Amino acid sequence: AQKITQTQPGMFVQEKEAVTLDCTYDTSDQSYGLFWYKQPSSGEMIFLIYQGSYDEQNATEGRYSLNFQKARKSANLVISASQLGDSAMYFCAMRGAGGTSYGKLTFGQGTILTVHP
Amino acid sequence: DGGITQSPKYLFRKEGQNVTLSCEQNLNHDAMYWYRQDPGQGLRLIYYSQIVNDFQKGDIAEGYSVSREKKESFPLTVTSAQKNPTAFYLCASSIGKGFTETQYFGPGTRLLVL
Repeated sequence: AQKITQTQPGMFVQEKEAVTLDCTYDTSDQSYGLFWYKQPSSGEMIFLIYQGSYDEQNATEGRYSLNFQKARKSANLVISASQLGDSAMYFCAMRGAGGTSYGKLTFGQGTILTVHP
Repeated sequence: DGGITQSPKYLFRKEGQNVTLSCEQNLNHDAMYWYRQDPGQGLRLIYYSQIVNDFQKGDIAEGYSVSREKKESFPLTVTSAQKNPTAFYLCASSIGKGFTETQYFGPGTRLLVL
């Protein structure tokens, strides 16, 4: 079984500053993928960034980077230079390697990020 | 433009009524998914389909049914057997396989019971 834990129900950050959203995971799979999604108030889930368990480098996509610490089973999202439009719910998710080629994502409970001007 | 569309944006259901949520994608993705999201919660998998005419139950399939007659379409029916259907429903399709599979989501449908 896989589990994702996001311990921060809400986070606040000043515009233009960096913020880290925490995510820890638990899995018995040797190969797995970790994902972050953004959900603004409109409801759509927007894919942000992916990290594979065998990737040696931390993933980066523009202002988003994933701080992957495999031994600690953590996959924190770092948002640099926060913008007002970054205010949203953020979900960490995992896709294991077991079973068929396709399968579900396991989601955490989410963190609400509020960016102050 | 390629993407995933869901309709309607809002749907109202009366007691004892079946309702169908639409999901269409023109991304040529093989796999499609339905998730349910309750307020302040993460997503839970209802059903998924890897190929046309085949689908598998997810974690909370009771009270729901699906079909996959075309690659582009994966409609979800919320039946009268689903006693607590009020939720936000998200459809997704995916690219890649195994642990590199990445799912992309539609804009969602909010279902409310009258």
